[in-house]
Amino acid sequence: GENVEQHPSTLSVQEGDSAVIKCTYSDSASNYFPWYKQELGKRPQLIIDIRSNVGEKKDQRIAVTLNKTAKHFSLHITETQPEDSAVYFCAANVGVGGGADGLTFGKGTHLIIQP
Amino acid sequence: NAGVTQTPKFQVLKTGQSMTLQCAQDMNHEYMSWYRQDPGMGLRLIHYSVGAGITDQGEVPNGYNVSRSTTEDFPLRLLSAAPSQTSVYFCASKMRRNTGELFFGEGSRLTVL
Repeated sequence: GENVEQHPSTLSVQEGDSAVIKCTYSDSASNYFPWYKQELGKRPQLIIDIRSNVGEKKDQRIAVTLNKTAKHFSLHITETQPEDSAVYFCAANVGVGGGADGLTFGKGTHLIIQP
Repeated sequence: NAGVTQTPKFQVLKTGQSMTLQCAQDMNHEYMSWYRQDPGMGLRLIHYSVGAGITDQGEVPNGYNVSRSTTEDFPLRLLSAAPSQTSVYFCASKMRRNTGELFFGEGSRLTVL
């Protein structure tokens, strides 16, 4: 099955600096890569996603890049703000073309924005 | 729309007890799933369903049962609770197979003593 590795597990940055979280996946058939943000005590919520026919996608201060050849994708947050503090999860879809639908998640990155 | 609704939000069980976590969605989503979240382990898929009458196992299915009699409901049953099942459980649903946003419920925190 699909295996998603996420690094780092904890990331501390100064407010206003950029943050980068990296993920790798194992199944070359995966074609959908979302990122979820989970604030303390809340549910995970989608912040951005990318499909395999695109190399990069931006939404204001957030961007995601995908390298299909190397099987890795990254989340970039620029001009970080206190409200960016949360746990971020990357994911990849599984069972493409087969019966095993769903997402496999990385173990998460705790992003801490230092004032 | 209420989205994905889970009950209960909190539950304490004794080892060996059984219980059902309820999940309902009002978005007419075909796909529904249950994840458990443990510290440092991310979100792990327990069971999923791609439509009424169809269920399948995920990564960590042991100790859990599911059924899907309607499009809206997808309950998760713990037949004989064990301390290892202490976790936060999330129900999630989406519109179609393989791509599309996964919508999560608010979560259910379960403690097994």
